[in-house]
Amino acid sequence: GAGVSQSPSNKVTEKGKDVELRCDPISGHTALYWYRQSLGQGLEFLIYFQGNSAPDKSGLPSDRFSAERTGGSVSTLTIQRTQQEDSAVYLCASSIASGSSTDTQYFGPGTRLTVL
Amino acid sequence: AQRVTQPEKLLSVFKGAPVELKCNYSYSGSPELFWYVQYSRQRLQLLLRHISRESIKGFTADLNKGETSFHLKKPFAQEEDSAMYYCALGRHNTDKLIFGTGTRLQVFP
Repeated sequence: GAGVSQSPSNKVTEKGKDVELRCDPISGHTALYWYRQSLGQGLEFLIYFQGNSAPDKSGLPSDRFSAERTGGSVSTLTIQRTQQEDSAVYLCASSIASGSSTDTQYFGPGTRLTVL
Repeated sequence: AQRVTQPEKLLSVFKGAPVELKCNYSYSGSPELFWYVQYSRQRLQLLLRHISRESIKGFTADLNKGETSFHLKKPFAQEEDSAMYYCALGRHNTDKLIFGTGTRLQVFP
């Protein structure tokens, strides 16, 4: 079946511009996560959506970062006034979140963001 | 604080040598531990989880609560094992994982 998809696969932008990154989770998965992957920093948690609950935004590095999840499915991560340090691979993952234990997270291919 | 530590950024071995990727965690509750792997040009994916107690691609990992460790081991490394490995901690009442910083395994022929 279809896995998690992300678009665009690559994004090059100029410092100060806004960018939007999109994630389509696996159908039926109620939990959606955004991570940032950069050299030397590993996998950094950004934000977590679970069903209709308020999102866990505890990992967002600054108020320039925000995310939405519309209709419990597609999610958009927005970075305003991009900085060079925002350059990284942004990963999205989803899980079924059955509640019985920590479910497997299925990752998308990532969006590589380069801020010039 | 809840934390996952992977002390090695890079581990290089020759084919056929044993491999141990270290992972230590900090969590006062009952943990669930995972290893995720990312092969070159592929997605990050689950390799194994401690509650399954299974061997995947020859890899095993035992949860040691006394040492708060979940080291990943394989007796004879293969070139195709070269990848980035992340240890992750799951906690009660949340699906959110805490990931370590990852260890890159290089297996030379």
